[in-house]
Amino acid sequence: AQSVTQPDIHITVSEGASLELRCNYSYGATPYLFWYVQSPGQGLQLLLKYFSGDTLVQGIKGFEAEFKRSQSSFNLRKPSVHWSDAAEYFCAVGSSGSGNTGKLIFGQGTTLQVKP
Amino acid sequence: ETGVTQTPRHLVMGMTNKKSLKCEQHLGHNAMYWYKQSAKKPLELMFVYNFKEQTENNSVPSRFSPECPNSSHLFLHLHTLQPEDSALYLCASSRGQGLTNEKLFFGSGTQLSVL
Repeated sequence: AQSVTQPDIHITVSEGASLELRCNYSYGATPYLFWYVQSPGQGLQLLLKYFSGDTLVQGIKGFEAEFKRSQSSFNLRKPSVHWSDAAEYFCAVGSSGSGNTGKLIFGQGTTLQVKP
Repeated sequence: ETGVTQTPRHLVMGMTNKKSLKCEQHLGHNAMYWYKQSAKKPLELMFVYNFKEQTENNSVPSRFSPECPNSSHLFLHLHTLQPEDSALYLCASSRGQGLTNEKLFFGSGTQLSVL
């Protein structure tokens, strides 16, 4: 069965510091991988997605993520965090191939706090 | 603004009340979803509608009753809820379920408190 694990429930970084949020997935076939961000009181917004091709994916707001099949990981990174990046981040995995039902499985989320 | 609007933003109801959550999308999408977001738990998919037909019911209790009169509107009718049903209920839409996992567009959610 598909599953997504975000090992870090809460992360605090200083503004201007680099950021890496971890995501590990379990899926037998080629996964579709996503990172979403949720600001307080808002719905989720897609940051980036990986379907195939280049394993380093660029997203909005200066975020990037790298798919590593050997480690079953899809970690999210940003070289320099801004105070406005404080939010909750969700990794998700979707099925691929025929018979896809468009279902996404989400991780528990990682809350990012940014110190001035 | 994502093009997906949910009302009300906040709802407080007693266990014997009946209420409805509304979701509307202006994106021309054909698939709509209800997700439940409880504190510190992964988002739980509840229902999926594709071209107005329900294609997924993720073992949701019958006290939650979805309705999709057309591709732009989705309702979640609530009755005799339990306190553990308190959560943020998120609506989402996509171009179509069954495509290559299209991007989901989420509404801001309805924060539900059951007393």
